[in-house]
Amino acid sequence: AQTVTQSQPEMSVQEAETVTLSCTYDTSESDYYLFWYKQPPSRQMILVIRQEAYKQQNATENRFSVNFQKAAKSFSLKISDSQLGDAAMYFCAYEELVFGKGTKLTVNP
Amino acid sequence: EPEVTQTPSHQVTQMGQEVILRCVPISNHLYFYWYRQILGQKVEFLVSFYNNEISEKSEIFDDQFSVERPDGSNFTLKIRSTKLEDSAMYFCASRLGLGTNQPQHFGDGTRLSIL
Repeated sequence: AQTVTQSQPEMSVQEAETVTLSCTYDTSESDYYLFWYKQPPSRQMILVIRQEAYKQQNATENRFSVNFQKAAKSFSLKISDSQLGDAAMYFCAYEELVFGKGTKLTVNP
Repeated sequence: EPEVTQTPSHQVTQMGQEVILRCVPISNHLYFYWYRQILGQKVEFLVSFYNNEISEKSEIFDDQFSVERPDGSNFTLKIRSTKLEDSAMYFCASRLGLGTNQPQHFGDGTRLSIL
């Protein structure tokens, strides 16, 4: 069975700084998608970024990028130039089926 | 921008009672999902639905659970005889297709409290 592990329950970052959220997963599949979702206090989950496993190039969406290491089964999220509005729970997900426990990100002004 | 809407936002139910959580997916979407999130824990997949049938379900989605798309717009999750451990946030999601440019859209969730 697939698993997703987020080893950082909480992280904090200073506004304008960069932060990296860790995620590891386990699967025997070779083709799959990985996702990072953001869940602000308003509760609705929003897709931040998606990576297809067969693509070696790391996905990037504006200030958000991933470091995808397929062999190591690692999928970390880097947030550059952190903004106050980035404060939220961040969930890593394998396909849309298995989610990690989440990392609570605090952005300090 | 179209949104997935869920009602009610908070549902309080006595243990053993039936509860129906309602979702209105985005109108032209074809794939529908239910997730739950127990307070302070991870989001858990319950079920996916396509072409009027369940396409995938998790171990959590046992015989107490059922889903329905009764009228082409609503997508409901029914829990037949609620237990205390069913207390959680329940999220509905929909997507247009399975392509890479067609992400899931989530609703705001329904907080279910079982007394």
